[in-house]
Amino acid sequence: QQQVKQSPQSLIVQKGGISIINCAYENTAFDYFPWYQQFPGKGPALLIAIRPDVSEKKEGRFTISFNKSAKQFSLHIMDSQPGDSATYFCAASGGSGGGADGLTFGKGTHLIIQP
Amino acid sequence: NAGVTQTPKFRILKIGQSMTLQCAQDMNHNYMYWYRQDPGMGLKLIYYSVGAGITDKGEVPNGYNVSRSTTEDFPLRLELAAPSQTSVYFCASSLAGADNEQFFGPGTRLTVL
Repeated sequence: QQQVKQSPQSLIVQKGGISIINCAYENTAFDYFPWYQQFPGKGPALLIAIRPDVSEKKEGRFTISFNKSAKQFSLHIMDSQPGDSATYFCAASGGSGGGADGLTFGKGTHLIIQP
Repeated sequence: NAGVTQTPKFRILKIGQSMTLQCAQDMNHNYMYWYRQDPGMGLKLIYYSVGAGITDKGEVPNGYNVSRSTTEDFPLRLELAAPSQTSVYFCASSLAGADNEQFFGPGTRLTVL
């Protein structure tokens, strides 16, 4: 059972455009929702994260929107740049392990920003 | 600080062989994790540890074992390697639980033939 569903699987955006990646979760006990960015041959790195007490968090060009009632959250990349081309994973933690037992990841979105 | 280091970077095993993937961190983090990443499947948790001497199973523990004798090291042992264990393995650590930033190592790419 996939607890975090991510879409789209791949995304092509023109330079300067807005990239939007969506995730939905099933476990209402999740209370931490990070986004990780991964470049080829590297490990994932934390990009931005949100907790369910706020509906939006912005860091530079990156924004997380969170809808608790719909159990959905999304990543928006404004003014997308070729250097943003990477694979993005949404994730969640909390659940029955209280956060100690790691992250549950979505399947990832391969983002390509065309110059 | 080196952060999270993993060795080896690449390894090819024959079916039935065993090996240990090494992971070390120098950030004095209590929590450490092992994930595997398969193409198009995201990362899945294999084992985790909340401190030296304490380990527990994640989502996909079958075929693997771990130990945590020190805060710094968290090796992953593969016994009787199978083709289904062909994957990229990532070790990660965090200061507190998974609801804190996890720092990932560069990964070990393992092929079982």
